[in-house]
Amino acid sequence: AQTVTQSQPEMSVQEAETVTLSCTYDTSESNYYLFWYKQPPSRQMILVIRQEAYKQQNATENRFSVNFQKAAKSFSLKISDSQLGDTAMYFCAFKDYGGSQGNLIFGKGTKLSVKP
Amino acid sequence: NAGVTQTPKFRILKIGQSMTLQCTQDMNHNYMYWYRQDPGMGLKLIYYSVGAGITDKGEVPNGYNVSRSTTEDFPLRLELAAPSQTSVYFCASWGENSYNEQFFGPGTRLTVL
Repeated sequence: AQTVTQSQPEMSVQEAETVTLSCTYDTSESNYYLFWYKQPPSRQMILVIRQEAYKQQNATENRFSVNFQKAAKSFSLKISDSQLGDTAMYFCAFKDYGGSQGNLIFGKGTKLSVKP
Repeated sequence: NAGVTQTPKFRILKIGQSMTLQCTQDMNHNYMYWYRQDPGMGLKLIYYSVGAGITDKGEVPNGYNVSRSTTEDFPLRLELAAPSQTSVYFCASWGENSYNEQFFGPGTRLTVL
């Protein structure tokens, strides 16, 4: 069974600085997807960025980028120029490429606080 | 598109009561899910459906039931509520047209006293 581990329960960063959130996962599959979701205090789950395992190039979305290390099964999220609105819980999630269920497997999350 | 909608947003139940959490999506997605989120934890899968008339258990199905009579609706039924079911419940969906993104409803905060 796949597992996702986020080893940083809480992190903080000063506004405008850069922060990296860690995620490792365990799977025997070779094709899969990885995601970072943001959950602000409103509770809404918002997709931040996604990565296909077959792509070697790291995904980027504006200030958000990932460092995907397939051999190490590591998938970290880098937030550049942090903004107060980035304050939220961040969840790393795994999705099997060929699984019939199609569900996401989540880590426990990292609570990020951006300080002014 | 309204996306994924859930009702109610909040609910307090007494032990032993029953209720149904409603979930509707208007994106014509075949796949729908119910997750629960306990404090300090990620989301865990309760039940899922791969299309109308097809449902199956996830990781934590005990105490819940689902049905999927239409593509749009996927209600979650709690029978005989217990304090262990106090949680935030999320409905989600995805389809082959959503580039593997799961879309989430706003969540229902349920407290069982």
